[in-house]
Amino acid sequence: GQQLNQSPQSMFIQEGEDVSMNCTSSSIFNTWLWYKQDPGEGPVLLIALYKAGELTSNGRLTAQFGTTRKDSFLNISASIPSDVGIYFCAGLTYTSGTYKYIFGTGTRLKVLA
Amino acid sequence: SQTIHQWPATLVQPVGSPLSLECTVEGTSNPNLYWYRQAAGRGLQLLFYSVGIGQISSEVPQNLSASRPQDRQFILSSKKLLLSDSGFYLCACNPGTGGWRNQPQHFGDGTRLSIL
Repeated sequence: GQQLNQSPQSMFIQEGEDVSMNCTSSSIFNTWLWYKQDPGEGPVLLIALYKAGELTSNGRLTAQFGTTRKDSFLNISASIPSDVGIYFCAGLTYTSGTYKYIFGTGTRLKVLA
Repeated sequence: SQTIHQWPATLVQPVGSPLSLECTVEGTSNPNLYWYRQAAGRGLQLLFYSVGIGQISSEVPQNLSASRPQDRQFILSSKKLLLSDSGFYLCACNPGTGGWRNQPQHFGDGTRLSIL
C-alpha cells in the first residue's frame, strides 16, 4: 500500500535550535497534515496544508506543501523542552468512497535543555 | 469543533478474554470514524473505518472487529484477545462532508491495552 517516508526518524537538539523534518511519498496528495503526539496521548493536529506550494505557520511551527505534491516539510524555530514528542505527517487519500489518511512513521524529537 | 472520547484509558486483559473499547464523538454529525493501532514506538496502523451506521471497512485481517451502532459511536471488539493485540488504540474522526478541504482528522486520547 501507500507509504510515507518520514525523516529523520529521531533527533536530539539543543534548546533554542531550529528543527527541520520532512515527509516524502511516491503518490500525490491533495492535503498534508502534521501532528504532534505526546507520550500516552493521541496525536494533536498542528498544521493542515491544502495547496501545492502553500506555506503555513502556527506559532513557531512552519509547514510547507511541496510543489510536486509528493512531499511536505515541517520546521520548528527556537525549540523549547515542551517540543519533545513524536511528529507525524499524513497525506489524505480518497479511496472506496471515503477519506483516509496515510501516516508517516514519525520523527521522535528530543530537546536538550 | 469535534471532541472524541475514548474509554477506558488503560486496560489490562488476559490472553483469551474478550474486548470492548468504545469511542464517542461530540460536535459533529455523520462523521467518518476510524480505529488505529500504534505499537510501542511505532507509527499508526489503520484497522477499521466507518462512513455511517452499520458500515464498517476493515483494512487489515486480524483478530479484531468493529461496529457502529449509532452515528457517533464506534466500538472495537474481540472475542478472544491475543498477545499480539497489545498496543495503543486510537479513535479518530473527520467530518465526512464538505469536500476534501474539510477533512482534517482529529484523535481521541487513546486506550492503552496490555495483554498478559
